Amino acid sequence: DIQMTQSPSSLSASVGDRVTITCRASQAISDYLAWFQQKPGKAPKSLIYAASSLQSGVPSRFSGSRSGTEFTLTISSLQPEDLATYYCQQYNTYPFTFGPGTQVDIK
Amino acid sequence: QLQLQESGPGLVKPSETLSLTCSVSGGSMSNISASWGWIRQPPGRGLVWIGNIYPSGTTFYNPSLKNRVTISLDTSKDQFSLKLTSVTAADTAVYFCAREAHGIADYWGQGTLVTVSS
Repeated sequence: DIQMTQSPSSLSASVGDRVTITCRASQAISDYLAWFQQKPGKAPKSLIYAASSLQSGVPSRFSGSRSGTEFTLTISSLQPEDLATYYCQQYNTYPFTFGPGTQVDIK
Repeated sequence: QLQLQESGPGLVKPSETLSLTCSVSGGSMSNISASWGWIRQPPGRGLVWIGNIYPSGTTFYNPSLKNRVTISLDTSKDQFSLKLTSVTAADTAVYFCAREAHGIADYWGQGTLVTVSS
């Protein structure tokens, strides 16, 4: 199985801050990487697919990028409603695998 | 707007079979580029992909579930189902169903908590 790691495991930032979350794949997955946002008690929501493509309706403050097997989710200006846990997932190879998640808190 | 809804027992006894159904509305289940998947999340933990099924009936499963999983599809009822046999407390989780368009889980059900306990 392809192992996905994320860093940091948690972070606390102020409204308006730029936030960056990193995800690494244990082997090449091309651009088959998605990012999800999960708010407490809710189902995950798809934010980004193909490493950098924004899902319809997702605010433009969210962006994704790739460098080799390292992927980054950036929130350019953190908002109170961004309090959530963020997961990356590779869908290049079965079984699809998720990262362990990054919990984002608002200071 | 596509909507998915999980249903099934919230409590299952150890060694028995967990059975869940996902009902799909607002769209077709016959799109050959979309699969229909199950994901679970143990309490306080991360997401685990269980498996999926294509309209052709082709299935892919997570080997970690050691041949205990079966996913089936009934397009006439706009439903797909999950069966997990020989459950233990480790199978206690919120179970989500989702549509996977080209592998991307873009529509999710709200999730249903299944507790394994005697």
